[in-house]
Amino acid sequence: ETGVTQSPTHLIKTRGQQVTLRCSSQSGHNTVSWYQQALGQGPQFIFQYYREEENGRGNFPPRFSGLQFPNYSSELNVNALELDDSALYLCASSFTGGPEAFFGQGTRLTVV
Amino acid sequence: EDKVVQSPLSLVVHEGDTVTLNCSYEVTNFRSLLWYKQEKKAPTFLFMLTSSGIEKKSGRLSSILDKKELFSILNITATQTGDSAVYLCAVLISGNTPLVFGKGTRLSVIA
Repeated sequence: ETGVTQSPTHLIKTRGQQVTLRCSSQSGHNTVSWYQQALGQGPQFIFQYYREEENGRGNFPPRFSGLQFPNYSSELNVNALELDDSALYLCASSFTGGPEAFFGQGTRLTVV
Repeated sequence: EDKVVQSPLSLVVHEGDTVTLNCSYEVTNFRSLLWYKQEKKAPTFLFMLTSSGIEKKSGRLSSILDKKELFSILNITATQTGDSAVYLCAVLISGNTPLVFGKGTRLSVIA
C-alpha cells in the first residue's frame, strides 16, 4: 500500500468522448506525475505537476491535460479519445527532488 | 533521445533457479537508476542506484550499477513463484524530470 490512490480502477469509453482520471498523492508529496502504459510496454511519461503548475511534459498531444490542486491531488483529462488511448494510466507521487517511489494502482482505460 | 533497453524481454525459469535481468541506458544528465516490480498494476519500488559498483541487496534480490558501461543488473537467487512479475528498469534524469522506463522483463517462475 503506497498511499497513492487512483480512481476509477477501470473505465470503458467510446471513441471521441472525454475522460477524467483522478489521483490522490502520498501525504507530504508535492509532485505528481502521470504515465501511460500500453500493453507490453513500459510506462511513458505524460506530464508532471509541482505546486499546481505543469513542470514537464512528454510527447503527448494537447488533448492530454491535467490539473493539480492545493492538496496536491491531481487529475488527468483526455479529450477526443482515440482507440490507441486504451492503456493503464499510472500516477506517481514524490517529494521535490526525490525519486518516484510511489505509484498508484492505476486506471485501466479501454476505448471502444 | 533518452533510451533504456532491458533484456531479455521475457524469461521462464524453475523455482530455485537464479536469474539475471539486464538494463542498459543512454540518457543525458543521468541521476539514478531505479528498479521496480510490477505484478498486476502498480509498480513497486525495489532499488535506487546512484553510484557505480555498490551492490544494493534486499533478501534474495540484489542489484548493481556500472556507470562507465551504462548498465545495471538485477539478480534474483532461489527464485519462487511469487517472483513472477514484470521487472521494470527506469532512469531518473534529474530532480523533477521524469523517469524513462524500459519495456520491462516478464519473469515467469514455474514450480
